[in-house]
Amino acid sequence: DGGITQSPKYLFRKEGQNVTLSCEQNLNHDAMYWYRQDPGQGLRLIYYSQIVNDFQKGDIAEGYSVSREKKESFPLTVTSAQKNPTAFYLCASTAGPAGELFFGEGSRLTVL
Amino acid sequence: ELKVEQNPLFLSMQEGKNYTIYCNYSTTSDRLYWYRQDPGKSLESLFVLLSNGAVKQEGRLMASLDTKARLSTLHITAAVHDLSATYFCAVEGDSNYQLIWGAGTKLIIKP
Repeated sequence: DGGITQSPKYLFRKEGQNVTLSCEQNLNHDAMYWYRQDPGQGLRLIYYSQIVNDFQKGDIAEGYSVSREKKESFPLTVTSAQKNPTAFYLCASTAGPAGELFFGEGSRLTVL
Repeated sequence: ELKVEQNPLFLSMQEGKNYTIYCNYSTTSDRLYWYRQDPGKSLESLFVLLSNGAVKQEGRLMASLDTKARLSTLHITAAVHDLSATYFCAVEGDSNYQLIWGAGTKLIIKP
């Protein structure tokens, strides 16, 4: 079945550590996205990528980094520069511009 | 500033009742999306509305789009407990790769 796989589902991190969240899709979608969601809040865009080897900052890119070396994969690194990283992180993809977003199951990051 | 405003943000209602969630937006987008999120879960696509006057229905939910008024509605008919969730609307931003999201409407349906 086609879909988006995020891992890990739950992650605990000590302050000062970088962590990488994985996102893999087998939908053959060109565009991929990372969103952050805080409790009781809406979605905020961190980064997005329209094609391989290209990505753009979203509204809250500071403290995060991404890569897009393969069409299927769009990992997100939460660096120690992100001051408040505890949140629910959602990866999504679309077939192209203005397309319907398909979401992974999310990764919940907690900083201890 | 591009905005998407949902109201109400919280709604508690009884089973069997009808109600409408409103999504107002400030862009000139012709496309609007509705998503559902269950507590602690990811988002699930409900409706994609692609033009003025579009109306889509799935079970007890019906969504419509009026691009001239920059308004979409999500109507719930004879609500049942299983529809309890948070509902988000989203529209295209300046870049058609970016969506502008509403804050979400948390819907609680009591038996």
